[in-house]
Amino acid sequence: GENVEQHPSTLSVQEGDSAVIKCTYSDSASNYFPWYKQELGKGPQLIIDIRSNVGEKKDQRIAVTLNKTAKHFSLHITETQPEDSAVYFCAASRPNTGGFKTIFGAGTRLFVKA
Amino acid sequence: EPEVTQTPSHQVTQMGQEVILRCVPISNHLYFYWYRQILGQKVEFLVSFYNNEISEKSEIFDDRFSVERPDGSNFTLKIRSTKLEDSAMYFCASSYSLTGGDRETQYFGPGTRLLVL
Repeated sequence: GENVEQHPSTLSVQEGDSAVIKCTYSDSASNYFPWYKQELGKGPQLIIDIRSNVGEKKDQRIAVTLNKTAKHFSLHITETQPEDSAVYFCAASRPNTGGFKTIFGAGTRLFVKA
Repeated sequence: EPEVTQTPSHQVTQMGQEVILRCVPISNHLYFYWYRQILGQKVEFLVSFYNNEISEKSEIFDDRFSVERPDGSNFTLKIRSTKLEDSAMYFCASSYSLTGGDRETQYFGPGTRLLVL
C-alpha cells in the first residue's frame, strides 16, 4: 500500500548546526514531495517542495533532495535557529482525477538548543 | 495573504451525534481536501473533492463521512454517528486557481479539534 517512512522521529541539534530528515515512499506514481512545518496547535505550513523532475532544490537555509530511483527524499536545514524547533512532516503526492492524494510521514520533532 | 479558515476551532460532541465541520477555502481554488490528525500522530488523507464530486477517499472515510460544497465559498465535512475514535484534529486544505498557482501546492487551515465523549 501507499506509505511514507520518515526518520528520525526526534532530532536534537545545537543552534547553528545542520539538521537532516530523511523519507522514503512506496508509491511510484508519486510526483510531488512537499515538506511541512507544524507548530503546536496549528495546521501544517508548507516550507519547501520538490517535483519528480528535479533532483535538488534550495531556498535560503533549507534544501531538499530527491532520488526517484531509490524513492528517497530528504530535508536539510543549515544554520539552525531556535525558531526552527517544530514538527516537520514529509509527504508524497500522486495525482488523481481531481487533485492529489497526499501521504504524510510520521513526523520529526526537531529541537534546536540555544 | 489569502488563507483557509475553519470553524469551529473546537467541537465537543457526544458519541452517536452528528457534527459538521466547516471550511472556507482560498477564494477561486478548485481542489479541496480534508485530513485528520489524531493527537501526536501523522496527518492522514481523508478525501479530495473537485467539480462537486469526490475524486478520491481513503479507507478512513467510511459511510458515516460526507463532504459538501453547499455554496461558492464553504466546504463542509459531516460525520454522522460519531465514535470515540473520531476524536482528532481535522484540517481542510485547498489548491489551484485558474488565475495562478500550481495544482499540487495545498494550503492548510488551522484545524478543528473534535472531541467525542
